[in-house]
Amino acid sequence: AQSVAQPEDQVNVAEGNPLTVKCTYSVSGNPYLFWYVQYPNRGLQFLLKYITGDNLVKGSYGFEAEFNKSQTSFHLKKPSALVSDSALYFCAVRGYGSGNTGKLIFGQGTTLQVKP
Amino acid sequence: EAGVAQSPRYKIIEKRQSVAFWCNPISGHATLYWYQQILGQGPKLLIQFQNNGVVDDSQLPKDRFSAERLKGVDSTLKIQPAKLEDSAVYLCASSSQGAYQPQHFGDGTRLSIL
Repeated sequence: AQSVAQPEDQVNVAEGNPLTVKCTYSVSGNPYLFWYVQYPNRGLQFLLKYITGDNLVKGSYGFEAEFNKSQTSFHLKKPSALVSDSALYFCAVRGYGSGNTGKLIFGQGTTLQVKP
Repeated sequence: EAGVAQSPRYKIIEKRQSVAFWCNPISGHATLYWYQQILGQGPKLLIQFQNNGVVDDSQLPKDRFSAERLKGVDSTLKIQPAKLEDSAVYLCASSSQGAYQPQHFGDGTRLSIL
């Protein structure tokens, strides 16, 4: 069965410092991996995706993510955090291969708090 | 490009009443999704449409929830009768055809059951 784990409920970082939000996944077949951000009372906004190719993926608002197949991880990173990055972040996986329906499975979410 | 439109934004009803949500996807998006997001959790897929056909409704509580997508564009999600545990945000999303295409979400309907 497909699953996504975001081990930290909350990540705190000072403005200007680098940030990492962790995600690990379990899927049979090749994974399609996504990161979304959700601001209060809003829907989810797409940040970036990994389908194939380069393990470092660049996305919106200066975010990037590193795919690591051996560790089954897809951590979200940003070199310099902004206060406006404070939000709820979701990792999601969509698997393809035998036994997969192609459904998008979301993690529980990680709240990012960036302090001035 | 106009985003995914949902209405209403908020709804308060009593248990055992019925409620309906409406979604208008991004123009040209063949795939439409309804998710349930309970406070503190990630979204859970309720139903996925490809044009006006159902692709996946394995997690839809069919004794009380129903959804339709007439003409392959707008969609409605209905709950009848509502239970207390249905209190959640109901999100609609749409995407172009293809497993690697990102989903675009509306702002959701926050449903409170009294």
